[in-house]
Amino acid sequence: QVQLVESGGGVVQPGRSLRLSCAASGFTFSDYTFHWVRQAPGKGLEWLALISFDGTNKYFADSVKGRFTISRDNSNNTLYLQLNTLRTEDTAVYYCARGYSSAWFGYLQYWGQGTLVTVSS
Amino acid sequence: NFMLTQPHSVSESPGKTITISCTRTSGSIASDYVQWYQQRPGSSPTTVIYEDNQRPSGVPDRFSGSIDSSSNSASLTISGLKTEDEADYYCQSYDSNNPLWVFGGGTKLTVL
Repeated sequence: QVQLVESGGGVVQPGRSLRLSCAASGFTFSDYTFHWVRQAPGKGLEWLALISFDGTNKYFADSVKGRFTISRDNSNNTLYLQLNTLRTEDTAVYYCARGYSSAWFGYLQYWGQGTLVTVSS
Repeated sequence: NFMLTQPHSVSESPGKTITISCTRTSGSIASDYVQWYQQRPGSSPTTVIYEDNQRPSGVPDRFSGSIDSSSNSASLTISGLKTEDEADYYCQSYDSNNPLWVFGGGTKLTVL
């Protein structure tokens, strides 16, 4: 069955960096577009970024453009999100999610369980 | 970029029908598909409607979606409400001219 398992979250000081990972299994990883979505405590969902099936196209929300980077390793079935220059307002649960196809549009068919990032001094 | 506006909360009794709206602030609601996600407390979101009105396998037909160009909004309707439907519901769409995805602010559904 499809599994997405995020890791890499934790407590980090403002201004520091963190890399999140999302290990995928149960399907052909390189066939799908992937996304990162976050949810601040008690708040709604915020889309952050998407990466095409082959990693050549990447798009970011304005709120994180220039600070966050999305990448993937199709040989190891892993998605990444590099978070740089972290701010307290980046505190959230970060979800990876698989698109329903290789197209950039569509819907988020599978979600991981999320990993909590807390930015605090 | 556009926004998707949802009511903050709705409540209804078991067995009744509710409709949650999602209004697009600029651009046509009909120009890009709308999805709806359900998020129960402590869980990751799941899709209940995709491409305006399609239900993934396993989602009961009590859930339905529609769009209304006159109000530039999408709607999620849940009939025969059950206590298990109590959750947060988020609409989502994208801008096909600029591949950015947008979520609505979410609506908390209480079934009491």
